[in-house]
Amino acid sequence: GAVVSQHPSRVICKSGTSVKIECRSLDFQATTMFWYRQFPKQSLMLMATSNEGSKATYEQGVEKDKFLINHASLTLSTLTVTSAHPEDSSFYICSARAGGIYNEQFFGPGTRLTVL
Amino acid sequence: AQSVTQPDIHITVSEGASLELRCNYSYGATPYLFWYVQSPGQGLQLLLKYFSGDTLVQGIKGFEAEFKRSQSSFNLRKPSVHWSDAAEYFCAVGANNDMRFGAGTRLTVKP
Repeated sequence: GAVVSQHPSRVICKSGTSVKIECRSLDFQATTMFWYRQFPKQSLMLMATSNEGSKATYEQGVEKDKFLINHASLTLSTLTVTSAHPEDSSFYICSARAGGIYNEQFFGPGTRLTVL
Repeated sequence: AQSVTQPDIHITVSEGASLELRCNYSYGATPYLFWYVQSPGQGLQLLLKYFSGDTLVQGIKGFEAEFKRSQSSFNLRKPSVHWSDAAEYFCAVGANNDMRFGAGTRLTVKP
């Protein structure tokens, strides 16, 4: 299957700082990328969907000014957690899909964010 | 809106025993259904999916799942579990750009 990478795999930051997480599709062009958040022992919650060159579509309850998503190219999307607080600590997972809804989403390995 | 329920949070089976992981969904139309496996440090891997057609779906690693519309279920099965199958398993229902995941079932395999 196709490969999606995330960087960094782990990040620890101080409260009030911003953190950027990168998601890359390594061997295919991702027209759509998704960002999920996973709490311990819980399911993945979709945060936002982004199409290359367009603004991201955020799920209800997700603050777009806090979680900035950029999908500037067909192989890269970034999630920036701005002014991070301890409650933003979580596991963030991206996925990428080429083409339409019948195509498979390929998931990255996730990024563990800890805000002190 | 679609939703997914995985009733079992944690299941323990002996190596070589059969396995069934339950998944129930709620959706107004014919759903697209998926099973993913998540191992520590790795991304979710698709085991199998159902869009239409034959209701018994074969997947990778010897897994299969059966779509039962009357029961709104999409249970995952494997006839003989291997120690390497220990992981977290997620059922998901998707439509358009919206994929909803169940809470997951953690599988422990006893030697």
